[in-house]
Amino acid sequence: DVVMTQSPLSLPVTLGQSASISCRSGQSLVYSDGNTYLNWFQQRPGQSPRRLIYKVSNRDSGVPNRFTGSGSGTDFTLTISRVEAEDVGVYYCMQGTDWPYTFGQGTTLEIK
Amino acid sequence: EVQLVESGGGLVQAGRSLRLSCSASGFIFSDRVMSWIRQAPGRGPEWVGFIRTKDNGATAEYDPFVRGRFTISRDDSRSTAYLQMSSLKIEDTAVYYCAKDYGHFLGQGTQVTVSS
Repeated sequence: DVVMTQSPLSLPVTLGQSASISCRSGQSLVYSDGNTYLNWFQQRPGQSPRRLIYKVSNRDSGVPNRFTGSGSGTDFTLTISRVEAEDVGVYYCMQGTDWPYTFGQGTTLEIK
Repeated sequence: EVQLVESGGGLVQAGRSLRLSCSASGFIFSDRVMSWIRQAPGRGPEWVGFIRTKDNGATAEYDPFVRGRFTISRDDSRSTAYLQMSSLKIEDTAVYYCAKDYGHFLGQGTQVTVSS
């Protein structure tokens, strides 16, 4: 299975500041069709996970443009600019290139 | 508006079976892959499996830890996906979510608790 490693695991952030989460995969996530199936999910307290970003950098409908995904190959980053109180929760990267698909261990974002 | 409503969860003894349902609306169900993802208490999500569309044979893929015990199926006429779970183990205890495509949208989940 492809191991997804996130850092940091805990991320205290001041309101209005930026935050970055790193995700590293154990092998390249470039699929044979040329796409890279790396997604980011947000899970607010008590809620279901919600996909924010798909294929590295594409925002899902309704996702604020404060959320930006970047990266390639095995190294990826989710950046949240101007952090708001509603961003509190756990963020997971997930690879959809190699079955079984796998999630990272999660990064907990909290407000300082 | 996409809606996914899971049902069928509950408390079950180890070794027994349970069938979960996922009722979908707001999109053309027959055109989409449907997935199941679970989340054990205090842990991150993990994939259970997915089922392809009928045009792609309605075949399913399973994570190794459920392969041979779980079966995913779909009824396009009812816009419903199913997860048949047998030989349940205590470690199968989790909230089970169905998802449109490969995680594009998840339902609210249904709790499955397996006891000894």
